[in-house]
This record gives sequence, structure tokens and C-alpha cells, in this order.
Amino acid sequence: AQSVTQLDSQVPVFEEAPVELRCNYSSSVSVYLFWYVQYPNQGLQLLLKYLSGSTLVESINGFEAEFNKSQTSFHLRKPSVHISDTAEYFCAVSVDSWGKLQFGAGTQVVVTP
Amino acid sequence: DVKVTQSSRYLVKRTGEKVFLECVQDMDHENMFWYRQDPGLGLRLIYFSYDVKMKEKGDIPEGYSVSREKKERFSLILESASTNQTSMYLCASSIGQGRTDTQYFGPGTRLTVL
Repeated sequence: AQSVTQLDSQVPVFEEAPVELRCNYSSSVSVYLFWYVQYPNQGLQLLLKYLSGSTLVESINGFEAEFNKSQTSFHLRKPSVHISDTAEYFCAVSVDSWGKLQFGAGTQVVVTP
Repeated sequence: DVKVTQSSRYLVKRTGEKVFLECVQDMDHENMFWYRQDPGLGLRLIYFSYDVKMKEKGDIPEGYSVSREKKERFSLILESASTNQTSMYLCASSIGQGRTDTQYFGPGTRLTVL
């Protein structure tokens, strides 16, 4: 069975500092991994996803995630955060051919000036 | 852009009431999903539909049912609401091509059962 563990429930960070959100997965089949972001009072939206090929995946707003098969990890990083990055971030793994996802518990990122 | 809309942002109901949560998507997606979101638990799948009138139980279907009479609309029904169903409910849809699909989410309905 596929599962996802997000190791930090909350990450406080200062504006312009780097941030890393940790995600570990377990999967018995080919792995497809996702990061979704939920801004305050909104639904989730896709940040980036790993399907195959290059292990480093980038989003349009400066986030990147690296798929590491040996460590079964898919950590999300941003070198310099903005106040607007305050949100909850969810790591997810595809669990079947229908495209159902198993989500982690989420990591709340709070960016302060 | 894909748009997924949910009928209410906030809803307050009484214990024992029958509750309908509606979700509509405008991109002709095959798959639709209902999740509940609780602090510290992430998103948990309640029900999934891969076609009109086709449905499959998710991880926590007890106390819920669903209806999909038209492709664009997926309804979640709480037959007899209970206080432990107080939660944020999120609807999502995806194109239906398989494991690499992106899911598109609605804004959520925060349901309070008194």
C-alpha cells in the first residue's frame, strides 16, 4: 500500500529565508508524487509533480522538489520565501490506475517579516 | 482554466438532519472525488466516481453516500448528520487518464453540525 509521511506539522520561517518541507513515501509500484498548496480559505492547487525523468522538479513560483528513490523522499524547497508563501502544503502519492491520491497530514508554513 | 465549484462555503446543520453538498466541474472530467479535511489528518477520501452513476468507496465512507446523475455534478449526502461529521469538505475532479492525473479542487465547504 502507498503512504506518505510529512515530518513537520508546522514550519515557521522568516521572509527571504530558505525553507524545506520534508516528505517520505512508501510505494510498492511505480511512484508518482505531488505537492499541493492550500492558501488560506482556499482549496488545494497543484504546486508540482514528479512523473518520471529528471529527479528535480520545479514550479513556476520558485519551489523545487527532488525525488530520491534510495531515501524514498520527495522534499520541497524554496531558497527565499515571501509572505505570500504562507500556506499549508500537502505531499501526495498516486495509489492506483484511477489516479486516486494518498495525502500526507500537511505542513503549515508561516512566513513572518 | 478548470473550475470546480461547491454549493456553499459555510454550512450549519443540526444533528440528524439530511445534508447535501453539491459540486460542479466545468471541464468534462471523468473522475470526481469527495474528501474531508481535518487538522493533523490531511485529506481523507470519502467517495470517488469514475463515470456517471459509477462510484467507489474511499477510506472513510461510513455515514456518507454520493450521487452522480450527470457528468459535471457530484453530490455528497450525509443521511443523518452527526457532530463528528463537522469538518471541511473538499471536492475535486480529474481528467481520468490515470496515475499521473492532476486533481483540481473546489474551495471547500466548512460544515458545522450542532
